[in-house]
Amino acid sequence: KQEVTQIPAALSVPEGENLVLNCSFTDSAIYNLQWFRQDPGKGLTSLLLIQSSQREQTSGRLNASLDKSSGRSTLYIAASQPGDSATYLCAVTNIFNKFYFGSGTKLNVKP
Amino acid sequence: GAVVSQHPSRVICKSGTSVKIECRSLDFQATTMFWYRQFPKKSLMLMATSNEGSKATYEQGVEKDKFLINHASLTLSTLTVTSAHPEDSSFYICSASSLAQVSGYNEQFFGPGTRLTVL
Repeated sequence: KQEVTQIPAALSVPEGENLVLNCSFTDSAIYNLQWFRQDPGKGLTSLLLIQSSQREQTSGRLNASLDKSSGRSTLYIAASQPGDSATYLCAVTNIFNKFYFGSGTKLNVKP
Repeated sequence: GAVVSQHPSRVICKSGTSVKIECRSLDFQATTMFWYRQFPKKSLMLMATSNEGSKATYEQGVEKDKFLINHASLTLSTLTVTSAHPEDSSFYICSASSLAQVSGYNEQFFGPGTRLTVL
């Protein structure tokens, strides 16, 4: 069964720092990997989607990489801002479009 | 992007009552909808997958008689929590899937979630 792990569980950084969130998965037979943002009591906002044939995706200050063979992905956030404070979830999908989520990294960016 | 709505956003009910949560795809037809449950500080757990016009497929450990799912149209799926108890209190999120015209793969769009509190 696919298991997704995210490290660290929580992270607190001062504004302006660059940071990296990590995601690992046990079964490399994935269809794609997606990073989401979740604000407290809210639903999910998709940040970046990497298809299994891709190595990375970029959107603004966010960059996500995928190493399928080693079962790892990283989300890089450049020049963090207080508005980036949220929980970041990593999820992989299989060929049947079934999502497996990590438990998230709670990020706090201090002004 | 595609929009998925959920109603209600928050519901409080008494133990023993049934609660219905709606999930709608507003600007696209969803061939498949998914229901997730999220406990505090935990990951989202898939409860069931529903395809329009057919019975839902439940994940292991999810009671299908407890969590009734109906997917009557390509834009609406409902989750009914029957005879709710305090342990059913949770955050329920739905998602809807459609075939992306450009990339050709199934994108999944998530609703804003419903907070259920059972007293």
